[in-house]
Amino acid sequence: AQKVTQAQTEISVVEKEDVTLDCVYETRDTTYYLFWYKQPPSGELVFLIRRNSFDEQNEISGRYSWNFQKSTSSFNFTITASQVVDSAVYFCALSEAEDTGFQKLVFGTGTRLLVSP
Amino acid sequence: DAGVIQSPRHEVTEMGQEVTLRCKPISGHNSLFWYRQTMMRGLELLIYFNNNVPIDDSGMPEDRFSAKMPNASFSTLKIQPSEPRDSAVYFCASSLEDQGYEQFFGPGTRLTVL
Repeated sequence: AQKVTQAQTEISVVEKEDVTLDCVYETRDTTYYLFWYKQPPSGELVFLIRRNSFDEQNEISGRYSWNFQKSTSSFNFTITASQVVDSAVYFCALSEAEDTGFQKLVFGTGTRLLVSP
Repeated sequence: DAGVIQSPRHEVTEMGQEVTLRCKPISGHNSLFWYRQTMMRGLELLIYFNNNVPIDDSGMPEDRFSAKMPNASFSTLKIQPSEPRDSAVYFCASSLEDQGYEQFFGPGTRLTVL
């Protein structure tokens, strides 16, 4: 069965600090996708990144970076030099090829990030 | 391009009333998803459609919930009769297989059942 664990319920940092949000997943499938979504206080869910199981290259997009390690089943998200606007709940999600053809997203419980000035 | 559109954005109703939530997916997307978000249970997938056909409704809580997708540009989620425990934010999302399966979410409908 697929499962996504975000052990950090809430993280508080001061602006300009770096912060890493952890995501650990479980799947028996060899082909899957991993995602990160951001939910700001306004409530909408914003897609950030997708990674397939065959691509373990780390990715950097501005202040955001993602570290995918199949050996530890982790897909961690780092924000460098955090800003107040980064305050949001961040969700990690998994979709598998088997049974659902990548259609079903299983979400973690989310990590609430609070960046104070 | 317009994103996923949901209406209403807020709905307050009394227990026992029928509630209908509406969703217009992104044009050209062939999969549509209904989610519910609560503090207790987080984000739960209720049902999803592929090419207007319901594929998996195992997340629908009970018979009071029903969903339809009469065409590629419109879907409804109906609760009849509504109960206070149905209070939640309901999200609709759409995706296109050929574009990597990422789901794009609507702004959500905040439902309060008194």
